[in-house]
Amino acid sequence: GQNIDQPTEMTATEGAIVQINCTYQTSGFNGLFWYQQHAGEAPTFLSYNVLDGLEEKGRFSSFLSRSKGYSYLLLKELQMKDSASYLCAVSPSGRYIPTFGRGTSLIVHP
Amino acid sequence: KAGVTQTPRYLIKTRGQQVTLSCSPISGHRSVSWYQQTPGQGLQFLFEYFSETQRNKGNFPGRFSGRQFSNSRSEMNVSTLELGDSALYLCASSLSYGESSPLHFGNGTRLTVT
Repeated sequence: GQNIDQPTEMTATEGAIVQINCTYQTSGFNGLFWYQQHAGEAPTFLSYNVLDGLEEKGRFSSFLSRSKGYSYLLLKELQMKDSASYLCAVSPSGRYIPTFGRGTSLIVHP
Repeated sequence: KAGVTQTPRYLIKTRGQQVTLSCSPISGHRSVSWYQQTPGQGLQFLFEYFSETQRNKGNFPGRFSGRQFSNSRSEMNVSTLELGDSALYLCASSLSYGESSPLHFGNGTRLTVT
């Protein structure tokens, strides 16, 4: 099975940088997704990491270490609209169905 | 291109009743998954369909069932509703059947069981 851990809630200041961590334990691993979900809305895809290292997409970057079972989502130049829940999801090898963590609620304040 | 459409957006049902939720995937997407989202448990996988066949099933009781039609539209049914079935039900579609295919979610159906 899979076990995914991420902090329940984080707060940060507008304009700052925040790092949301995700650790996982899984019997088979293919890759890791990050999704963003605003309150009352659908989750939207942010990134997918298969290889170790950092992948940058504008203000958002995602990092993966397969050997450590660890990922993080880095958000730079925070804006108020970044207040949302961030979901980490592990894609197990051979099964095609990602398992989601419980999400990290990020609150950005002025 | 239209996104994933789920109907209805809100439902209120009584314990013991049954309910059917509908999902229209993005045009061209053949894989449809269903998830239950609650504050305590997060996103829990229900089942996944590809080309009208159920490919994967989560750990939910048999009261939860689904199907997919030839046009890729999908429905899920919950019979003998319980209070604990109150949740946001999310449908997601993906372009292909593969480990790296990102999911595109609909806005969900908010089910309240009283």
